[in-house]
Amino acid sequence: DSGVTQTPKHLITATGQRVTLRCSPRSGDLSVYWYQQSLDQGLQFLIQYYNGEERAKGNILERFSAQQFPDLHSELNLSSLELGDSALYFCASSDRLAGGPNEQFFGPGTRLTVL
Amino acid sequence: GESVGLHLPTLSVQEGDNSIINCAYSNSASDYFIWYKQESGKGPQFIIDIRSNMDKRQGQRVTVLLNKTVKHLSLQIAATQPGDSAVYFCAEKATGNQFYFGTGTSLTVIP
Repeated sequence: DSGVTQTPKHLITATGQRVTLRCSPRSGDLSVYWYQQSLDQGLQFLIQYYNGEERAKGNILERFSAQQFPDLHSELNLSSLELGDSALYFCASSDRLAGGPNEQFFGPGTRLTVL
Repeated sequence: GESVGLHLPTLSVQEGDNSIINCAYSNSASDYFIWYKQESGKGPQFIIDIRSNMDKRQGQRVTVLLNKTVKHLSLQIAATQPGDSAVYFCAEKATGNQFYFGTGTSLTVIP
């Protein structure tokens, strides 16, 4: 168990809808990272927050947004969903401001299915 | 763009045998590589890493080999156990701290 929790575990929704994925980092970790993993692609880094502030942006679509709250949990909002958004979404946390994924602990993921 | 690929999508091995999982990368400037294990229903778990100034690095029952000439990375698991069944994928660090992840090889250990 990495200490990172994500809810929900599974999410099924329709095209055009909006969903929110939630992540609680390991106790004491200030950094939260979001990744997307689809069947035909490896992990894709989406965005990083550190202590409530956005720190790095990857391949995140404009339809997607995230935030980190004062209690350090984070939410990833996906809107105007398309079939191609179906994927596993992982959250990872770290106690560092900057660093590689080798220093990150991954949650179990949320499987999103868009019908 | 970057290309991190795996030679075989699936691999089956007998329990007790050694496993070798391969990964090809395309950016000769990549200077750091990571292997991950991802079990069903779980997030990726760091296994071992290697910097480009090394050819080989050993961990507990795992060895990573790096061949920069042909841009190839391999993960060797000794005495494979049923608990090793998972998807294994590699990642490379290119310029600017950008990481690129492969799609993975599914390893099945036959008891």
